[in-house]
Amino acid sequence: DTAVSQTPKYLVTQMGNDKSIKCEQNLGHDTMYWYKQDSKKFLKIMFSYNNKELIINETVPNRFSPKSPDKAHLNLHINSLELGDSAVYFCASSQDYSRNEQYFGPGTRLTVT
Amino acid sequence: GENVEQHPSTLSVQEGDSAVIKCTYSDSASNYFPWYKQELGKGPQLIIDIRSNVGEKKDQRIAVTLNKTAKHFSLHITETQPEDSAVYFCAARQIQGAQKLVFGQGTRLTINP
Repeated sequence: DTAVSQTPKYLVTQMGNDKSIKCEQNLGHDTMYWYKQDSKKFLKIMFSYNNKELIINETVPNRFSPKSPDKAHLNLHINSLELGDSAVYFCASSQDYSRNEQYFGPGTRLTVT
Repeated sequence: GENVEQHPSTLSVQEGDSAVIKCTYSDSASNYFPWYKQELGKGPQLIIDIRSNVGEKKDQRIAVTLNKTAKHFSLHITETQPEDSAVYFCAARQIQGAQKLVFGQGTRLTINP
Protein backbone atom coordinates (compact mmCIF):
# COMPACT_ATOMS: atom_id res chain seq x y z
CA ASP A 1 0.00 0.00 0.00
CA THR A 2 1.23 3.47 -0.91
CA ALA A 3 1.96 5.50 2.22
CA VAL A 4 1.73 9.00 0.71
CA SER A 5 -0.04 9.31 -2.63
CA GLN A 6 -0.61 12.25 -4.94
CA THR A 7 -2.83 12.84 -7.93
CA PRO A 8 -2.28 13.60 -10.67
CA LYS A 9 1.30 12.56 -11.38
CA TYR A 10 1.50 14.87 -14.38
CA LEU A 11 -0.42 18.07 -14.99
CA VAL A 12 -0.07 20.18 -18.13
CA THR A 13 -2.11 23.35 -18.32
CA GLN A 14 -2.14 26.83 -19.78
CA MET A 15 -1.32 30.10 -18.10
CA GLY A 16 -4.21 31.64 -16.25
CA ASN A 17 -5.95 28.35 -15.46
CA ASP A 18 -6.81 27.11 -11.98
CA LYS A 19 -5.74 23.61 -10.94
CA SER A 20 -5.64 21.37 -7.88
CA ILE A 21 -3.30 18.65 -6.68
CA LYS A 22 -4.50 16.11 -4.16
CA CYS A 23 -2.53 14.31 -1.47
CA GLU A 24 -3.50 11.47 0.83
CA GLN A 25 -1.54 9.61 3.48
CA ASN A 26 -2.53 6.32 5.09
CA LEU A 27 0.12 6.39 7.81
CA GLY A 28 -2.12 7.88 10.47
CA HIS A 29 0.14 10.95 10.65
CA ASP A 30 -1.03 14.26 12.06
CA THR A 31 1.22 16.59 10.05
CA MET A 32 1.35 17.11 6.28
CA TYR A 33 3.46 19.32 4.05
CA TRP A 34 3.72 20.70 0.54
CA TYR A 35 7.13 21.19 -1.03
CA LYS A 36 8.13 22.70 -4.36
CA GLN A 37 11.10 21.33 -6.31
CA ASP A 38 12.32 23.63 -9.05
CA SER A 39 14.16 22.78 -12.25
CA LYS A 40 17.48 22.80 -10.39
CA LYS A 41 16.13 20.20 -7.98
CA PHE A 42 16.03 22.62 -5.06
CA LEU A 43 13.45 21.50 -2.46
CA LYS A 44 11.63 24.17 -0.48
CA ILE A 45 8.74 23.91 1.93
CA MET A 46 5.58 25.81 1.06
CA PHE A 47 3.01 24.86 3.69
CA SER A 48 2.54 22.61 6.67
CA TYR A 49 -0.67 21.50 8.38
CA ASN A 50 -0.91 19.85 11.77
CA ASN A 51 -4.22 18.17 12.52
CA LYS A 52 -5.94 20.28 9.83
CA GLU A 53 -4.47 23.51 11.18
CA LEU A 54 -2.03 25.62 9.14
CA ILE A 55 1.28 25.91 11.01
CA ILE A 56 3.78 26.89 8.31
CA ASN A 57 3.08 29.30 5.48
CA GLU A 58 6.24 30.30 3.70
CA THR A 59 6.41 33.32 1.41
CA VAL A 60 4.22 31.73 -1.21
CA PRO A 61 2.00 33.81 -3.54
CA ASN A 62 -1.58 33.84 -2.31
CA ARG A 63 -2.58 32.21 -5.60
CA PHE A 64 -1.59 29.01 -3.77
CA SER A 65 -4.14 27.84 -1.24
CA PRO A 66 -3.80 24.61 0.71
CA LYS A 67 -6.86 22.88 2.10
CA SER A 68 -6.97 20.06 4.62
CA PRO A 69 -10.44 18.47 4.83
CA ASP A 70 -9.14 15.93 7.35
CA LYS A 71 -5.84 14.72 8.82
CA ALA A 72 -5.24 12.27 6.00
CA HIS A 73 -5.66 14.74 3.14
CA LEU A 74 -3.91 17.94 2.12
CA ASN A 75 -4.81 19.44 -1.23
CA LEU A 76 -3.15 22.31 -3.05
CA HIS A 77 -5.17 24.66 -5.20
CA ILE A 78 -3.40 27.08 -7.52
CA ASN A 79 -5.21 30.02 -9.14
CA SER A 80 -4.17 31.95 -12.23
CA LEU A 81 -1.25 29.70 -13.06
CA GLU A 82 1.96 31.32 -14.27
CA LEU A 83 4.92 29.95 -16.23
CA GLY A 84 7.06 30.16 -13.08
CA ASP A 85 4.76 27.74 -11.28
CA SER A 86 6.13 24.92 -13.42
CA ALA A 87 7.86 22.55 -11.00
CA VAL A 88 7.45 19.24 -9.22
CA TYR A 89 5.26 19.49 -6.13
CA PHE A 90 5.73 16.99 -3.33
CA CYS A 91 3.43 16.18 -0.50
CA ALA A 92 4.94 14.75 2.69
CA SER A 93 3.78 13.70 6.13
CA SER A 94 5.21 13.12 9.59
CA GLN A 95 3.75 11.51 12.68
CA ASP A 96 3.23 14.86 14.33
CA TYR A 97 4.67 18.33 14.40
CA SER A 98 7.48 17.46 16.77
CA ARG A 99 8.55 14.27 14.99
CA ASN A 100 11.31 14.76 12.54
CA GLU A 101 10.94 11.93 10.03
CA GLN A 102 9.08 13.07 6.95
CA TYR A 103 7.81 10.72 4.26
CA PHE A 104 7.35 12.03 0.74
CA GLY A 105 4.85 11.24 -1.96
CA PRO A 106 5.84 10.50 -5.57
CA GLY A 107 5.37 14.09 -6.74
CA THR A 108 3.22 15.93 -9.27
CA ARG A 109 5.01 17.44 -12.24
CA LEU A 110 3.20 20.65 -13.17
CA THR A 111 3.93 22.21 -16.55
CA VAL A 112 2.40 25.57 -17.37
CA THR A 113 2.48 26.55 -21.06
CA GLY B 1 16.91 31.30 9.46
CA GLU B 2 18.79 28.10 8.75
CA ASN B 3 20.94 27.79 5.63
CA VAL B 4 22.34 24.48 4.37
CA GLU B 5 25.16 24.19 1.86
CA GLN B 6 25.85 20.84 0.17
CA HIS B 7 28.90 19.71 -1.81
CA PRO B 8 29.69 18.47 -4.34
CA SER B 9 26.80 19.10 -6.72
CA THR B 10 27.85 16.09 -8.82
CA LEU B 11 29.93 13.07 -7.87
CA SER B 12 31.03 10.17 -10.02
CA VAL B 13 32.67 7.09 -8.49
CA GLN B 14 33.62 3.63 -9.64
CA GLU B 15 31.46 0.77 -8.49
CA GLY B 16 32.84 -0.62 -5.27
CA ASP B 17 34.49 2.64 -4.23
CA SER B 18 33.26 4.93 -1.46
CA ALA B 19 31.34 8.17 -1.88
CA VAL B 20 31.23 11.09 0.55
CA ILE B 21 28.82 14.02 0.43
CA LYS B 22 29.24 16.95 2.79
CA CYS B 23 26.88 19.55 4.20
CA THR B 24 27.29 22.58 6.41
CA TYR B 25 24.57 24.37 8.31
CA SER B 26 24.39 27.83 9.82
CA ASP B 27 22.12 27.59 12.86
CA SER B 28 23.77 25.95 15.85
CA ALA B 29 20.31 25.33 17.37
CA SER B 30 19.34 22.88 14.60
CA ASN B 31 19.02 19.41 16.12
CA TYR B 32 18.11 16.91 13.42
CA PHE B 33 19.87 16.07 10.17
CA PRO B 34 18.29 13.65 7.69
CA TRP B 35 19.57 12.43 4.35
CA TYR B 36 17.22 11.71 1.47
CA LYS B 37 17.76 9.75 -1.74
CA GLN B 38 15.75 10.74 -4.79
CA GLU B 39 15.65 8.40 -7.76
CA LEU B 40 14.53 9.59 -11.16
CA GLY B 41 10.82 10.34 -11.26
CA LYS B 42 10.29 9.52 -7.58
CA GLY B 43 9.92 11.38 -4.33
CA PRO B 44 12.75 11.79 -1.81
CA GLN B 45 13.21 8.76 0.41
CA LEU B 46 14.65 9.03 3.91
CA ILE B 47 17.74 6.80 4.08
CA ILE B 48 19.42 7.78 7.33
CA ASP B 49 19.27 10.53 9.90
CA ILE B 50 21.18 11.76 12.93
CA ARG B 51 20.28 13.82 15.93
CA SER B 52 22.47 16.46 17.51
CA ASN B 53 23.29 14.34 20.56
CA VAL B 54 25.00 11.69 18.40
CA GLY B 55 28.27 11.96 16.49
CA GLU B 56 27.93 9.03 14.12
CA LYS B 57 25.32 6.59 12.92
CA LYS B 58 25.67 3.61 10.61
CA ASP B 59 23.22 1.46 8.69
CA GLN B 60 24.88 -1.25 6.61
CA ARG B 61 26.80 0.54 3.80
CA ILE B 62 25.59 3.99 4.78
CA ALA B 63 26.91 6.15 7.60
CA VAL B 64 26.43 9.73 8.68
CA THR B 65 28.79 11.78 10.83
CA LEU B 66 28.02 15.02 12.61
CA ASN B 67 30.44 17.66 13.87
CA LYS B 68 28.37 20.10 15.91
CA THR B 69 31.29 22.39 16.65
CA ALA B 70 32.08 22.87 12.99
CA LYS B 71 28.40 22.66 12.01
CA HIS B 72 28.88 20.12 9.32
CA PHE B 73 27.67 16.59 8.63
CA SER B 74 28.53 14.04 6.00
CA LEU B 75 27.05 11.01 4.27
CA HIS B 76 29.36 8.09 3.59
CA ILE B 77 28.43 5.28 1.23
CA THR B 78 30.83 2.33 1.07
CA GLU B 79 31.06 -0.44 -1.54
CA THR B 80 28.91 1.58 -3.93
CA GLN B 81 26.58 -0.22 -6.30
CA PRO B 82 24.83 0.94 -9.50
CA GLU B 83 21.54 1.24 -7.61
CA ASP B 84 23.13 3.91 -5.41
CA SER B 85 23.00 6.26 -8.41
CA ALA B 86 20.52 9.02 -7.50
CA VAL B 87 20.30 12.59 -6.21
CA TYR B 88 21.05 12.85 -2.49
CA PHE B 89 19.81 15.67 -0.28
CA CYS B 90 20.90 16.64 3.19
CA ALA B 91 18.67 18.71 5.44
CA ALA B 92 18.70 20.39 8.81
CA ARG B 93 15.72 20.92 11.06
CA GLN B 94 15.39 24.56 11.98
CA ILE B 95 13.84 24.88 15.43
CA GLN B 96 13.91 28.64 15.90
CA GLY B 97 10.96 30.40 14.34
CA ALA B 98 9.09 28.06 12.02
CA GLN B 99 10.20 24.48 12.71
CA LYS B 100 10.94 23.05 9.30
CA LEU B 101 13.44 21.07 7.28
CA VAL B 102 15.84 23.20 5.25
CA PHE B 103 17.40 21.24 2.39
CA GLY B 104 20.78 21.39 0.73
CA GLN B 105 21.02 21.85 -3.02
CA GLY B 106 21.44 18.14 -3.75
CA THR B 107 24.26 15.93 -5.06
CA ARG B 108 23.85 13.87 -8.19
CA LEU B 109 25.77 10.64 -7.53
CA THR B 110 26.66 8.42 -10.46
CA ILE B 111 28.15 4.97 -9.94
CA ASN B 112 30.18 3.83 -12.94
CA PRO B 113 30.27 0.06 -13.56
